[in-house]
Amino acid sequence: DAKTTQPTSMDCAEGRAANLPCNHSTISGNEYVYWYRQIHSQGPQYIIHGLKNNETNEMASLIITEDRKSSTLILPHATLRDTAVYYCIVRALGGSQGNLIFGKGTKLSVKP
Amino acid sequence: EAQVTQNPRYLITVTGKKLTVTCSQNMNHEYMSWYRQDPGLGLRQIYYSMNVEVTDKGDVPEGYKVSRKEKRNFPLILESPSPNQTSLYFCASKQFPGQGRAEAFFGQGTRLTVV
Repeated sequence: DAKTTQPTSMDCAEGRAANLPCNHSTISGNEYVYWYRQIHSQGPQYIIHGLKNNETNEMASLIITEDRKSSTLILPHATLRDTAVYYCIVRALGGSQGNLIFGKGTKLSVKP
Repeated sequence: EAQVTQNPRYLITVTGKKLTVTCSQNMNHEYMSWYRQDPGLGLRQIYYSMNVEVTDKGDVPEGYKVSRKEKRNFPLILESPSPNQTSLYFCASKQFPGQGRAEAFFGQGTRLTVV
C-alpha cells in the first residue's frame, strides 16, 4: 500500500470549511484514497473514499488531484464535534487482507 | 442499526489470567479484524478473518489468539496476558474486500489494563 503524508495538526474556526491535505505521491493505479476519523479514542469512523473523481457525501467532499498524488478532505462547515484525528489511507479495493494501515493522521481542532 | 459490539468496554486484570474480549457484528460481514492502539504507535492489526474458520495473523499477533466459529462473532483471546498488552483494542468488520461497500465498521473499543 502506498505511503501517505499528512500534517500533524490543524486548527479550524467553527462554521468554516476545514481542508485537510494528504500527500500520496507513490499511489498506484488500482489504489483508492480512504478517509477515516477517530474522535477521542472512539472507534475509527469511515468518512469517504475515491479513486480519481471527486466525491461528496453527507459528511464531506474528497478532492483528488488529476495526477492522483495528493488529495484534500473538505468538511464544509466544521463544528466542534468534528474535532478528531483524521486518517488518510491508500489501498487497493480488493486487497486480500483488508487491512487498513493507519498512520499518525491529522489532529483537527475546531475552535469556537 | 448496523454496528460492531465489543465487550467489555473496560477491563483491568492481572498478569497470567486468561481473558476473552468479545466482538459481534450484525451486518453479515465476511471480514473481521482486531487492532490495538498505543500512544505513538497508532493502530496496528493483530489478527483478521476472511470468513468462518479462516483466520490469519496481522502485524502484531504474538500473545493473542482468535477464533471464527460463527460469521457474526470474532473473539480475541489472551491466554496469559502481560503488562505489555495493556492497550486500547478495536474490532472491525467489512464486506469481503472488493465486494459491495468499501468501508470498515469499528467497535467502540475495549480499554485493557494488565497489572
